[in-house]
Amino acid sequence: KQEVTQIPAALSVPEGENLVLNCSFTDSAIYNLQWFRQDPGKGLTSLLLIQSSQREQTSGRLNASLDKSSGRSTLYIAASQPGDSATYLCAVLTSGSRLTFGEGTQLTVNP
Amino acid sequence: DVKVTQSSRYLVKRTGEKVFLECVQDMDHENMFWYRQDPGLGLRLIYFSYDVKMKEKGDIPEGYSVSREKKERFSLILESASTNQTSMYLCASSATTGGSYGYTFGSGTRLTVV
Repeated sequence: KQEVTQIPAALSVPEGENLVLNCSFTDSAIYNLQWFRQDPGKGLTSLLLIQSSQREQTSGRLNASLDKSSGRSTLYIAASQPGDSATYLCAVLTSGSRLTFGEGTQLTVNP
Repeated sequence: DVKVTQSSRYLVKRTGEKVFLECVQDMDHENMFWYRQDPGLGLRLIYFSYDVKMKEKGDIPEGYSVSREKKERFSLILESASTNQTSMYLCASSATTGGSYGYTFGSGTRLTVV
């Protein structure tokens, strides 16, 4: 059974800092990995999608990497802003089109 | 952009009521999903559907049923609502069976059963 772990569970940083969120998964037989953002009481917003054949994806200040063989992904956020404060969720797609989610990292960026 | 719309942001229902949660997507996606999200338990898959009139049980289907009569609409039904079904419900869709295009989520429905 696929298991996804995100470290740290919570992170508080000053504005402007570069930061890394970590995601690990136990079964490397994945189709893709997706990073989401969730604001309190809201739905999930897709940030980046990495196919199993890809090593990284970039969108603006966000960069996500994937090392399938070691079962790891990182989400790098450059020059963090208070508006980046949210919970970040990592999810992997394995057989049967079912996503397995991590528990999330709750990020607070302080002005 | 793909849009997944959930009909209600907040619902309050009484124990024993039959509850319908509606989800509509506008990009002709084959796959649709219902999750619930609870503190400390994360997101858990309730039911999903690969096509019209098809449904598959997820990890926690007990107490729920679903309906997909049209490709764009996927309904979650609580046959007899109970207080332990108080939760945030999230609908999602994806374009292919392999999910190559990723999942798109709706904005969620916060259901409270009293």
